Amino acid sequence: AQKITQTQPGMFVQEKEAVTLDCTYDTSDPSYGLFWYKQPSSGEMIFLIYQGSYDQQNATEGRYSLNFQKARKSANLVISASQLGDSAMYFCAMREVMTTDSWGKLQFGAGTQVVVTP
Amino acid sequence: DTAVSQTPKYLVTQMGNDKSIKCEQNLGHDTMYWYKQDSKKFLKIMFSYNNKELIINETVPNRFSPKSPDKAHLNLHINSLELGDSAVYFCASSRTGNLYEQFFGPGTRLTVL
Repeated sequence: AQKITQTQPGMFVQEKEAVTLDCTYDTSDPSYGLFWYKQPSSGEMIFLIYQGSYDQQNATEGRYSLNFQKARKSANLVISASQLGDSAMYFCAMREVMTTDSWGKLQFGAGTQVVVTP
Repeated sequence: DTAVSQTPKYLVTQMGNDKSIKCEQNLGHDTMYWYKQDSKKFLKIMFSYNNKELIINETVPNRFSPKSPDKAHLNLHINSLELGDSAVYFCASSRTGNLYEQFFGPGTRLTVL
């Protein structure tokens, strides 16, 4: 079963506007981490932001913030004041508690392609 | 100052050949990974090594053999390449623990003709 769901395959956003990328996850483990990565057209995977399941506050990193709603099992990424350089594929990922079955592996969603227009 | 490096960046080869991809990290991490990204951009774990020991093997064909000579290196050898092996392969590393982000290498685009 898919553990990470990103329902938006693609979206356009105008420069300087904010954009929210949806992510829902499925786990029964009490301890897990949620991550967002950016993959520009050049192909590298760039870590953006992290939220731990026990964190009380939403994570923020510069223009990126994570809207963590634990009861809804959602971890949406908000990019404020979009820039042309934000055009990329964005992946939500989860890392469950470390057992021999899931030792630290990241499970990724299908990604959301964001295009920022002038 | 490259954190996670992979060589080569591009690999074009014929079906049936054997090839290797090398990965090195200089972050002092003790856990390393191989991921495969298919043509639809879907990323999936293949292997994970912790302190040179294989931890995860996600039902990858045994034509794929990872080798970790030390904590800083994790190489991927692929025998008898098939068309379906064409993909981008990413190496990643992290500190042990689910609280830590994984740092990815630049990827190796493998094309099997």
